Amino acid sequence: GAGVSQSPRYKVAKRGQDVALRCDPISGHVSLFWYQQALGQGPEFLTYFQNEAQLDKSGLPSDRFFAERPEGSVSTLKIQRTQQEDSAVYLCASSLSPGQGNTEAFFGQGTRLTVV
Amino acid sequence: QQQVKQSPQSLIVQKGGISIINCAYENTAFDYFPWYQQFPGKGPALLIAIRPDVSEKKEGRFTISFNKSAKQFSLHIMDSQPGDSATYFCAASPYGGSQGNLIFGKGTKLSVKP
Repeated sequence: GAGVSQSPRYKVAKRGQDVALRCDPISGHVSLFWYQQALGQGPEFLTYFQNEAQLDKSGLPSDRFFAERPEGSVSTLKIQRTQQEDSAVYLCASSLSPGQGNTEAFFGQGTRLTVV
Repeated sequence: QQQVKQSPQSLIVQKGGISIINCAYENTAFDYFPWYQQFPGKGPALLIAIRPDVSEKKEGRFTISFNKSAKQFSLHIMDSQPGDSATYFCAASPYGGSQGNLIFGKGTKLSVKP
């Protein structure tokens, strides 16, 4: 596709429910990132993949958050036992490759998660 | 601990005026400073970025000014237009941007009045 695609665009979950958010990065992009953006705030880093390897997960707020990218392309962010404080927009971004001077991160439109 | 402090929180400018948004950082390991523009319901989009080896970078109506000693950088939007109305985020990274672990400011909501 032309850009980073995220699905679903909107998700309403009952407290305690598990959710899975999908990210299709730009074809050929090696690096993939997940960010969490609370209402009225800037995005906050969650985790980073280089191909299928998760190189940094320091931003994941708890062990209820889990991300994977098994084949080095599509990624899924899973949140178990959702809580109200998980309500936010989850943004996925991809970039071409580290170390090649082209570092622009392209963001998807995000998935707005509302936990009720 | 907020590593990148952005101000003002909101800004109203007349069409044709200059919009100025400021950011300050503490971590001297930061070496990549991008600005992102975000419209409602959309993801952030890279506007312009600078590295600390230069003090200014201009792209069209957008200019970044960078002061390494003061650990501050700013975005100037010349001849502001209503279509520039959006939320702007400064960001910083300690990896030259290569790993994309960007640390964002809290954002500035810009409104350009016709």
